[in-house]
Amino acid sequence: AQSVTQPDIHITVSEGASLELRCNYSYGATPYLFWYVQSPGQGLQLLLKYFSGDTLVQGIKGFEAEFKRSQSSFNLRKHSVHWSDAAEYFCAVGSARGSQGNLIFGKGTKLSVKP
Amino acid sequence: NAGVTQTPKFQVLKTGQSMTLQCAQDMNHEYMSWYRQDPGMGLRLIHYSVGAGITDQGEVPNGYNVSRSTTEDFPLRLLSAAPSQTSVYFCASSRQGSQPQHFGDGTRLSIL
Repeated sequence: AQSVTQPDIHITVSEGASLELRCNYSYGATPYLFWYVQSPGQGLQLLLKYFSGDTLVQGIKGFEAEFKRSQSSFNLRKHSVHWSDAAEYFCAVGSARGSQGNLIFGKGTKLSVKP
Repeated sequence: NAGVTQTPKFQVLKTGQSMTLQCAQDMNHEYMSWYRQDPGMGLRLIHYSVGAGITDQGEVPNGYNVSRSTTEDFPLRLLSAAPSQTSVYFCASSRQGSQPQHFGDGTRLSIL
């Protein structure tokens, strides 16, 4: 079955430190991959996406993610975390099954930032 | 552009009541979907639609109905509210289901 696993429920990092949020997926074909961010009381905002091509993708707010097919992973990284990055982050995988593909979301990783 | 608009933002219901959560998008997207978000559970797909007149069930459809009479609107109906339906509900739209989805700000629903 298709699935997305985010192994870390909650991560705390210091402001200015680097960050890596893990995402592993189980999928039968080449997936479409996404990272979303959700600030408290808000909807989800797309950070970045991978469809094909360069396996290192750049997103908004200084985030990047690397697709590693051999590890079925799509980890999110940021070199220097800002206090405003405190939020919940969701990894999602999409089907390429034409127009009826749906997104499958991981359970999320909550990021706290220490001053 | 407004994007995806959900109303109401907050609602309290009593068990057994029915209500409709509204969702409208102005991006001419064919695909629309409803998710519920519960602590520690991520987002779970309730129902989705790939175009006007076409709807299908997602992962957790029981207790919910949808219809899609226009491209713009995709209301979610709770037929007989139960406390287990207390959740935050998000509507989303995209050109196709596997494409980046645009989310509304959510409806926070409490069933007493």
